[in-house]
Amino acid sequence: KQEVTQIPAALSVPEGENLVLNCSFTDSAIYNLQWFRQDPGKGLTSLLLIQSSQREQTSGRLNASLDKSSGRSTLYIAASQPGDSATYLCATYYMEYGNKLVFGAGTILRVKS
Amino acid sequence: NAGVTQTPKFQVLKTGQSMTLQCAQDMNHEYMSWYRQDPGMGLRLIHYSVGAGITDQGEVPNGYNVSRSTTEDFPLRLLSAAPSQTSVYFCASSSWTGQMIGGYTFGSGTRLTVV
Repeated sequence: KQEVTQIPAALSVPEGENLVLNCSFTDSAIYNLQWFRQDPGKGLTSLLLIQSSQREQTSGRLNASLDKSSGRSTLYIAASQPGDSATYLCATYYMEYGNKLVFGAGTILRVKS
Repeated sequence: NAGVTQTPKFQVLKTGQSMTLQCAQDMNHEYMSWYRQDPGMGLRLIHYSVGAGITDQGEVPNGYNVSRSTTEDFPLRLLSAAPSQTSVYFCASSSWTGQMIGGYTFGSGTRLTVV
């Protein structure tokens, strides 16, 4: 059974810092890994999708890497801003009929101005 | 804007009432699914569908029904609401060819309270 763990559970940083959020998973036979952002009371916004053949993806100030052999993914946020404050969730899934997303519990990020 | 649309955004039900949560997507995605999000439990899969006419149960299907008559729509029905169904419900879709699956797009959610 896939288990996804995110560390740290919460993070508070001053504006401008570069930061790393960690995601680990127990079953390396995943197909894809996706990072989401969730603002309080809102839905999930997709940030980055890393497909099984890829090792990293970049979008603006965000960079996500994937190491399936070690069961780890990291989300790097450069030059953090108060608007980055949210809960960040990573989720893995398999390429099979009936696949489901397996989510970590999330990292609550607060960027102070 | 292309995406997943959920209605209503908020709903209060009395125990025993039934209702349907609506979900529609305009991305021609074959795969659609319903999740519920509860504090301390994370997101859990209720039902999913890989195309019109095909649905299957997820990990917490009891008390819910789904149907998929079109590619675009995937409504979730609560048969007889119970306080344990108080939750935030998310609909999600992704492309699915039978061999490859793309990234997920989520709706904005329906916050349901059962009293």
